[in-house]
Amino acid sequence: DQQVKQNSPSLSVQEGRISILNCDYTNSMFDYFLWYKKYPAEGPTFLISISSIKDKNEDGRFTVFLNKSAKHLSLHIVPSQPGDSAVYFCAASDGSAGNMLTFGGGTRLMVKP
Amino acid sequence: GAVVSQHPSWVICKSGTSVKIECRSLDFQATTMFWYRQFPKQSLMLMATSNEGSKATYEQGVEKDKFLINHASLTLSTLTVTSAHPEDSSFYICSASRVGSIYNEQFFGPGTRLTVL
Repeated sequence: DQQVKQNSPSLSVQEGRISILNCDYTNSMFDYFLWYKKYPAEGPTFLISISSIKDKNEDGRFTVFLNKSAKHLSLHIVPSQPGDSAVYFCAASDGSAGNMLTFGGGTRLMVKP
Repeated sequence: GAVVSQHPSWVICKSGTSVKIECRSLDFQATTMFWYRQFPKQSLMLMATSNEGSKATYEQGVEKDKFLINHASLTLSTLTVTSAHPEDSSFYICSASRVGSIYNEQFFGPGTRLTVL
């Protein structure tokens, strides 16, 4: 049973436009959510996170929105740049000891010049 | 800050040999280190969680005798793939949580690509 799902395996966006990556979760105990960016043959790099007490967190071109009632979060990138092309993973934590994360399946974003 | 390294970055070995992968937190002490496996075009699969000085906790379906994890210090964890076979070929990534961190962040290493012939 996948507790964190990213239903779109890929997304193609024109440079300068907005990229919206979606993530759904089922475990109501999750209280912290993170987005990671990953290039091939490299480890994921942390992008942005949000606590369940908030519904929005913004950092430069990246904004994460959390809808707890819908158990849905999204990552907005605006404006999108070709360098943003990568696989994006959302992850969730329930605050248990050890900071264990549950990852979604990832969405491959392609930003076309 | 918060840099995690892995060594080696790429290893090719013969079937039946054992391979050790090191994960180090370079500029911070890690309470917990995690080992993930990623198959091509698939998500990160958590294999095990290790805390310094104690036994690793393995996820369901991961053979603890096959994937030996040692977390000897707050900056080093090792994963040994014993008697490796071609199906063990994968991209192995470690991550570390920082001591005293109030956020559930994990800092990831660059990964190790294992190819078993």
